[in-house]
Amino acid sequence: DTAVSQTPKYLVTQMGNDKSIKCEQNLGHDTMYWYKQDSKKFLKIMFSYNNKELIINETVPNRFSPKSPDKAHLNLHINSLELGDSAVYFCASSQGTSLTYEQYFGPGTRLTVT
Amino acid sequence: AQSVAQPEDQVNVAEGNPLTVKCTYSVSGNPYLFWYVQYPNRGLQFLLKYITGDNLVKGSYGFEAEFNKSQTSFHLKKPSALVSDSALYFCAVRPWTSGTYKYIFGTGTRLKVLA
Repeated sequence: DTAVSQTPKYLVTQMGNDKSIKCEQNLGHDTMYWYKQDSKKFLKIMFSYNNKELIINETVPNRFSPKSPDKAHLNLHINSLELGDSAVYFCASSQGTSLTYEQYFGPGTRLTVT
Repeated sequence: AQSVAQPEDQVNVAEGNPLTVKCTYSVSGNPYLFWYVQYPNRGLQFLLKYITGDNLVKGSYGFEAEFNKSQTSFHLKKPSALVSDSALYFCAVRPWTSGTYKYIFGTGTRLKVLA
């Protein structure tokens, strides 16, 4: 069984379009995250939700909007896509917000903006 | 500023030899330290963590890491490397500071194990 899943795995789109990435976890975790990994493999946190409430909101353009309909899902919607948005986006989850909890990552969504 | 450093972009080691992937950190307060591995086209996988107690932590796939408070280091080690260990390794720290939920990740070290 897949613990953290993301769809789609690949996303190729043109500048200016709007797209969404979906994430689901079946681990019963309370906390979910979105990360962006750039071409140099640098990993940066974007957002985090705990029990459907936003707890981390890094300096990310307003074009990015997360939505958590329930504890098991955290989606990422991106408006007016730009070339610089091309990256791999990872969803992750953890049991809770405790600093001792490890995170479980999804397989990633490779976004290419042309 | 709180940070994590992985001083080597790449580490090459022959199969069967011991390997070390270095990590140093700079945080205020006590740190919680983690290692993750990323195989090609995959998400990160948790390897091990140091929370408290014994400075030598054992994790998945035969990996271990040693927490050294005086040197502010948390190096990842394995006694005998396998070709299948070739991957990208990330060190991460979660400072024990109230209100901080997020990881601080290092820039990653690519491990190449040569047959």
